[in-house]
Amino acid sequence: KNEVEQSPQNLTAQEGEFITINCSYSVGISALHWLQQHPGGGIVSLFMLSSGKKKHGRLIATINIQEKHSSLHITASHPRDSAVYICAVRVSGANSKLTFGKGITLSVRP
Amino acid sequence: NAGVMQNPRHLVRRRGQEARLRCSPMKGHSHVYWYRQLPEEGLKFMVYLQKENIIDESGMPKERFSAEFPKEGPSILRIQQVVRGDSAAYFCASSPFESTEAFFGQGTRLTVV
Repeated sequence: KNEVEQSPQNLTAQEGEFITINCSYSVGISALHWLQQHPGGGIVSLFMLSSGKKKHGRLIATINIQEKHSSLHITASHPRDSAVYICAVRVSGANSKLTFGKGITLSVRP
Repeated sequence: NAGVMQNPRHLVRRRGQEARLRCSPMKGHSHVYWYRQLPEEGLKFMVYLQKENIIDESGMPKERFSAEFPKEGPSILRIQQVVRGDSAAYFCASSPFESTEAFFGQGTRLTVV
């Protein structure tokens, strides 16, 4: 079993919809990251969380440490949000390398 | 302040050749991480370096792969005698301190023919 699991694997939404992407992990962590990758492109760091909630523009990330779960929400989705969204964790007691989920491919239709 | 710069963006090598991938971290960043993304797979950690030191190489294949981050110049990931299974996207990330947010480069896409 992977230490970081993401669901659903693929997600299709209509423009304007509210989208939620989930991430569960099975290890103790010191931080969780949400990353975005466009096809053939680089990786952009969206959020780094260790507790609570963060918001940036139309993106909101939350984390529940007790339940070992995080969600990434996209409000008023747009076709340019189409990308792979990757959840990654820093394992407690380890150094600052990241352990990644497989990512979720999001397609937002106009 | 330029972001993390990786070059080349695309690299084609024949089986048996050497591949050298370069990563220039953001200004002021002394921690560098290399990750590999195989086709249809997630990202995997390879190696973590801090100026002139390898901190963690637990994700590096034991043979043919090496990494360095010299006092001056970029970090280099070197793959000797490449095989088709080395074809992947290789990403570098850097951070100013351990346990702070890391910033990723655009990646180098290696194709072995």
